[in-house]
Amino acid sequence: DQQVKQNSPSLSVQEGRISILNCDYTNSMFDYFLWYKKYPAEGPTFLISISSIKDKNEDGRFTVFLNKSAKHLSLHIVPSQPGDSAVYFCAASGRGTIQGAQKLVFGQGTRLTINP
Amino acid sequence: SQTIHQWPATLVQPVGSPLSLECTVEGTSNPNLYWYRQAAGRGLQLLFYSVGIGQISSEVPQNLSASRPQDRQFILSSKKLLLSDSGFYLCAWMLASEGYTFGSGTRLTVV
Repeated sequence: DQQVKQNSPSLSVQEGRISILNCDYTNSMFDYFLWYKKYPAEGPTFLISISSIKDKNEDGRFTVFLNKSAKHLSLHIVPSQPGDSAVYFCAASGRGTIQGAQKLVFGQGTRLTINP
Repeated sequence: SQTIHQWPATLVQPVGSPLSLECTVEGTSNPNLYWYRQAAGRGLQLLFYSVGIGQISSEVPQNLSASRPQDRQFILSSKKLLLSDSGFYLCAWMLASEGYTFGSGTRLTVV
């Protein structure tokens, strides 16, 4: 059961334009969402996050939008740059059953390619 | 500063051989530690997590096991590797506001 889904395995965007990456989730208990960026042969790095009490969080060129009623979040990158080419994972937090360990559930990832 | 170390970076092992991947963290105490796997064309799957020494939770039944012999050490093991164990293995620890900090990963190829 895929609780976090990224239905687009890949996305190509022209440099300078907006990149929009989408993510859907099914578990209404998720209350914290994150985006990670991953280059080949490296571990993912944190990009931006949003709590369920908000519907938007912005950090420089990156903005994450959360639509709780639709169980949907999106990451906007504007303007897109060649260095943004990477795989992007969305993740949602759930609660472990032992001592409150927080676990993240990840989507399958979207490979973003920025074309010059 | 807080850092996480994971090794080796790449590993090629024959089917049926044992496995041991090590992860250590520095600059923090009593961290929550996690092992994830990224299989080819798939997302990140949580394998194990640990909230303290000797405490291991397994997320999916599999051919792997994990141990936490010390506060800042997390080990992923297998007695006999299968072809399906190939993938990119990531160790992570939890930072409250930023979710995980990931290690650099281990690319395991079982041949």
